[in-house]
Amino acid sequence: GAGVSQSPSNKVTEKGKDVELRCDPISGHTALYWYRQSLGQGLEFLIYFQGNSAPDKSGLPSDRFSAERTGGSVSTLTIQRTQQEDSAVYLCASSPWEGAFSGYTFGSGTRLTVV
Amino acid sequence: DAKTTQPNSMESNEEEPVHLPCNHSTISGTDYIHWYRQLPSQGPEYVIHGLTSNVNNRMASLAIAEDRKSSTLILHRATLRDAAVYYCILRDPVSDSGGGADGLTFGKGTHLIIQP
Repeated sequence: GAGVSQSPSNKVTEKGKDVELRCDPISGHTALYWYRQSLGQGLEFLIYFQGNSAPDKSGLPSDRFSAERTGGSVSTLTIQRTQQEDSAVYLCASSPWEGAFSGYTFGSGTRLTVV
Repeated sequence: DAKTTQPNSMESNEEEPVHLPCNHSTISGTDYIHWYRQLPSQGPEYVIHGLTSNVNNRMASLAIAEDRKSSTLILHRATLRDAAVYYCILRDPVSDSGGGADGLTFGKGTHLIIQP
């Protein structure tokens, strides 16, 4: 597609349940990032994928969070045993590898509400 | 990545130019200056970036001070659709290896309010 696609756009889940969030990056973009944004706050980096290299997981807040990227394209962010503090908008971005020289394209995000 | 400082909010009138300042006094010689904006209920959107020279594109202009310790994003004729949070970010591609451990570091940005 023309942009970064994220699904679902909204997700309400019960505390303790697992959720999966999906990101379809722009075709050909080798770099993929996950961020989250709590209400009224800035963006918090979670994880970074670059081509076939091992992902940089340094931003994941706990071991309940994991992500994978299959075939260098689609990525799934999984949150296990969700907690209320996980409620936020989860944003995905992709870029050509030389992202620092050009712009990153963000999706519209998935709004996660844990009740 | 070096830190940037922006005003929390600014207000402007529709159809007037807007100058959004950003201070980055600790910028390194290889840091690029990037601007993004985030409209309500949307993900951030790339606006413009530059290194030393002023830059223009269809969305905005970027004026970079000669010492590179500050920059200004210029919206030549603001519309109501330009109301957003504007983020000024520094990226160093030399030490970044295509993305780096923290990606783009977003601060609080400037909340731009456009009055009709």
